[in-house]
Amino acid sequence: GENVEQHPSTLSVQEGDSAVIKCTYSDSASNYFPWYKQELGKRPQLIIDIRSNVGEKKDQRIAVTLNKTAKHFSLHITETQPEDSAVYFCAASLANAGGTSYGKLTFGQGTILTVHP
Amino acid sequence: EPEVTQTPSHQVTQMGQEVILRCVPISNHLYFYWYRQILGQKVEFLVSFYNNEISEKSEIFDDQFSVERPDGSNFTLKIRSTKLEDSAMYFCASSGTGGRQETQYFGPGTRLLVL
Repeated sequence: GENVEQHPSTLSVQEGDSAVIKCTYSDSASNYFPWYKQELGKRPQLIIDIRSNVGEKKDQRIAVTLNKTAKHFSLHITETQPEDSAVYFCAASLANAGGTSYGKLTFGQGTILTVHP
Repeated sequence: EPEVTQTPSHQVTQMGQEVILRCVPISNHLYFYWYRQILGQKVEFLVSFYNNEISEKSEIFDDQFSVERPDGSNFTLKIRSTKLEDSAMYFCASSGTGGRQETQYFGPGTRLLVL
């Protein structure tokens, strides 16, 4: 089955710096890669996602890149702010278009991001 | 904006007891999921459900677990005989509408503590 590895486990940056979190996946059939932000005691919230037919997607200060050949994808946060502090999870799934399942999400281990003011 | 809801938010139970965790997915979603997260660890898939049957389940989802959609709105996870290691946060998620059917929206979770 799919295995997702995520690095680093913790990341500490100064406000205004950029943060990069990297994930690798094992199943070349995976075609959907979401990123979730989880604040302490709260639900995972989708912040950005990318499908395998594109290499990069950007939404304001957040961007995700995907390298299908190398089977890795990364989250980039620019101009970090203290409110970006949270645990970030990457995930991978096989979104089965037209089928009976839209695929379980296999999550990475999470990255604790701390943005210091 | 519609959200997935879950009840209860917290549940404490004795080992061996049965618990039922309840979820109300986003209206008109078609695919439903349960995940769990042991404290400090990653989120793990348990089961997916579509068209009133299980689509996929993980090795965690053994015979003590069951899911049901008893009516048009609720989606439940039953743990028949709880074990200490079942203590975790249980998240329900739903997806499946329009052109973004793969996007899963998570509920706030039920924190289960088995004593």
